[in-house]
Amino acid sequence: ETGVTQSPTHLIKTRGQQVTLRCSSQSGHNTVSWYQQALGQGPQFIFQYYREEENGRGNFPPRFSGLQFPNYSSELNVNALELDDSALYLCASSLDLAGGAAYEQYFGPGTRLTVT
Amino acid sequence: KNEVEQSPQNLTAQEGEFITINCSYSVGISALHWLQQHPGGGIVSLFMLSSGKKKHGRLIATINIQEKHSSLHITASHPRDSAVYICAVPTQGGSEKLVFGKGTKLTVNP
Repeated sequence: ETGVTQSPTHLIKTRGQQVTLRCSSQSGHNTVSWYQQALGQGPQFIFQYYREEENGRGNFPPRFSGLQFPNYSSELNVNALELDDSALYLCASSLDLAGGAAYEQYFGPGTRLTVT
Repeated sequence: KNEVEQSPQNLTAQEGEFITINCSYSVGISALHWLQQHPGGGIVSLFMLSSGKKKHGRLIATINIQEKHSSLHITASHPRDSAVYICAVPTQGGSEKLVFGKGTKLTVNP
């Protein structure tokens, strides 16, 4: 158990719809990262939030957006869903002490999104 | 941008065998992560290491910073070790936004 939870576990949406995925981080973790994992591939970095501000973004279009809340929860929103958005979406929380040292990321179980 | 190569892509072993999975990356890093992913998706962090060697039970991870190479070893492998093993490194030196290898699918047969 990593202490990181995600909801829902599975989700089916239709092309063009919007979706919100949720992540509850470990208590005290000020950083959350979101990843997309297509079938048979390694995860791809979407973006990271640090203290409720976006702190870096991968190669994903603006229809992928996020929020981080003071209670250590966060959201990933995807607008105008496309078939290629079908994937496992993972969040990972960590405690960034801003000291430049590497820190361990704790992954949630993921949300499997299917777009039809 | 850091690039990560893992080998082999697929690995089948008999119970009890010694397993080695390799990971190479292109840009100097602060630390490397080894992760385990079981069917169904959940990812578990096995190791984060920045130098030398770490051991946890039957798992051993080593890293050679100069050669930009890391290995994950499993001693006395067991069918429950069957999973995808992924190494991940920061996208650029000092950053903790990770880039992942494609993973090594390990199957351990009884």
